[in-house]
Amino acid sequence: AQKITQTQPGMFVQEKEAVTLDCTYDTSDQSYGLFWYKQPSSGEMIFLIYQGSYDEQNATEGRYSLNFQKARKSANLVISASQLGDSAMYFCAMREGSGEYGNKLVFGAGTILRVKS
Amino acid sequence: GAGVSQSPRYKVTKRGQDVALRCDPISGHVSLYWYRQALGQGPEFLTYFNYEAQQDKSGLPNDRFSAERPEGSISTLTIQRTEQRDSAMYRCASSLVPPGPFATNEKLFFGSGTQLSVL
Repeated sequence: AQKITQTQPGMFVQEKEAVTLDCTYDTSDQSYGLFWYKQPSSGEMIFLIYQGSYDEQNATEGRYSLNFQKARKSANLVISASQLGDSAMYFCAMREGSGEYGNKLVFGAGTILRVKS
Repeated sequence: GAGVSQSPRYKVTKRGQDVALRCDPISGHVSLYWYRQALGQGPEFLTYFNYEAQQDKSGLPNDRFSAERPEGSISTLTIQRTEQRDSAMYRCASSLVPPGPFATNEKLFFGSGTQLSVL
């Protein structure tokens, strides 16, 4: 079974508007972490935002916020006031807390975002 | 160094040859990961080290793939008898502390990757 599902292969957004990138996850652990990474065309992987399973408030980092709905097992990324430089591939990822040495970060298939001027 | 360094940046090899990909993690980072990323896909986990110990190699596709980190710093991913299906971007990542039940927030810092092409 897929641990991380990103159902939107591609998204378009008008510059200065907000956009939501969907992510659902599957885990039976109580302790886990959710991450979003950005991969521009240059290929680098840039950390954007983190949400812990026990965090009561949604994470925010500048224009990025994470809409965390634990019961629905969703961790959608919201980008406000989109900029042309936001055009990139976006990956959702999860680390589960189980195991003596913890666990690896598992990634979804990604969503390509294109910001239109 | 300031970031995770990988070399070579590009590697073109003929089918059947062995290749060695190098990763130099951020200084002081305990954990080191290898991922493989196909074009248009998310990174796929290969293996992971804490210091010099290989803790998880469940993602290595077969016994042609191996990795080592003998002194707990630089790591080498070796692919023997390469095949065309091995062509991909191979990414290394490091994190400051090992992940664990109470350290699920440890983010990974990725290198620029090695683009491997097997002809």
